[in-house]
Amino acid sequence: NAGVMQNPRHLVRRRGQEARLRCSPMKGHSHVYWYRQLPEEGLKFMVYLQKENIIDESGMPKERFSAEFPKEGPSILRIQQVVRGDSAAYFCASSPSTGVHNEQFFGPGTRLTVL
Amino acid sequence: AQSVSQHNHHVILSEAASLELGCNYSYGGTVNLFWYVQYPGQHLQLLLKYFSGDPLVKGIKGFEAEFIKSKFSFNLRKPSVQWSDTAEYFCAVTLSGAGSYQLTFGKGTKLSVIP
Repeated sequence: NAGVMQNPRHLVRRRGQEARLRCSPMKGHSHVYWYRQLPEEGLKFMVYLQKENIIDESGMPKERFSAEFPKEGPSILRIQQVVRGDSAAYFCASSPSTGVHNEQFFGPGTRLTVL
Repeated sequence: AQSVSQHNHHVILSEAASLELGCNYSYGGTVNLFWYVQYPGQHLQLLLKYFSGDPLVKGIKGFEAEFIKSKFSFNLRKPSVQWSDTAEYFCAVTLSGAGSYQLTFGKGTKLSVIP
């Protein structure tokens, strides 16, 4: 039973390029969450998506960041025109439904380095 | 907004020593509390969680945590650590009710167990 998959595990981009991070939730999970961990910080919530819907993007920067979870395929976190401050670990989690009693299962993360 | 503080950045213990990792949160309302662990090279895994009821919570691998509401604390304990407990430990909180999916994490505590 495969867990949450994220790819790539490591991504290097130059300033101004685009970064695309992919997350495949666990089988049977329709809820996806993205978190960002800056160096020496805890994980911070960015966005919560269900299939084809953004439910809560209150933690996402207003510019350059977008997320989607299409009907088919993985969830994508897209960062346009990356800057050095975007260097971080980006974690995806999934759950079978929402609600506090539903555990979020985390992927291994994508470590983004912006040169 | 709620926040989570973990008192120790790095803890070094010998095998068989007892462990207590501190966690305090700031929020006056009803919260749900979690401890996650990240072993080297692996993804975040849930150790234990508290929603309501008995404030002493038992988790996997011999870990337990006690919720002390008056102190806004949820400290993690283990009577006797093993080398395999070397990992990073994260305390997290969600609010009860709306937005209960948003995990707020502490900065983490690295535990190194010396054989």
